[in-house]
Amino acid sequence: AQTVTQSQPEMSVQEAETVTLSCTYDTSESDYYLFWYKQPPSRQMILVIRQEAYKQQNATENRFSVNFQKAAKSFSLKISDSQLGDAAMYFCASQRFGNEKLTFGTGTRLTIIP
Amino acid sequence: GAGVSQSPSNKVTEKGKDVELRCDPISGHTALYWYRQSLGQGLEFLIYFQGNSAPDKSGLPSDRFSAERTGGSVSTLTIQRTQQEDSAVYLCASSQGGHYGYTFGSGTRLTVV
Repeated sequence: AQTVTQSQPEMSVQEAETVTLSCTYDTSESDYYLFWYKQPPSRQMILVIRQEAYKQQNATENRFSVNFQKAAKSFSLKISDSQLGDAAMYFCASQRFGNEKLTFGTGTRLTIIP
Repeated sequence: GAGVSQSPSNKVTEKGKDVELRCDPISGHTALYWYRQSLGQGLEFLIYFQGNSAPDKSGLPSDRFSAERTGGSVSTLTIQRTQQEDSAVYLCASSQGGHYGYTFGSGTRLTVV
């Protein structure tokens, strides 16, 4: 079974600064996928970024990038130039190849300080 | 539709009553998922539908929980004889399948009093 751990229940960052959210996972699979989702107060989970484990290159989406360390089973999310709209719960998730279920971590609440 | 639609948005029910939660996925999405999010917790997988295949019910916590998907589209999650521990946000998501991520609805907040 896969497990996902987010060790930071809460984080805060000054507006326009950079913040990194941590995620570690445990899997015996060689092929899998990793995701970061954002959940604002509206409750709707929004996909932020996706990483394929067989790709060494770190995924980026505008101000969002990941640091994927496969050997360490670490998948951190970096948010650059933080904006007030980035305030939300952020969930890390993993997905085994060939299985569509997502396994989620417990989330990190990110606060942006104006 | 343009997104995943869930109804009702909020539901308060008395302990012991049955409830039905509805999910209308994105048109053309073959896969549909239900997750439960309890206060301060991550998301817990409940059930997964893919096309005409038998659903994966491995996450349903008890036989009080059931779900169906009619015509490969709308899904209903039913909780019978609700208990206080059933209080949570129930999230539905759909996808085209594969590993491209889900599109979630805004969830139903269920409160059992």
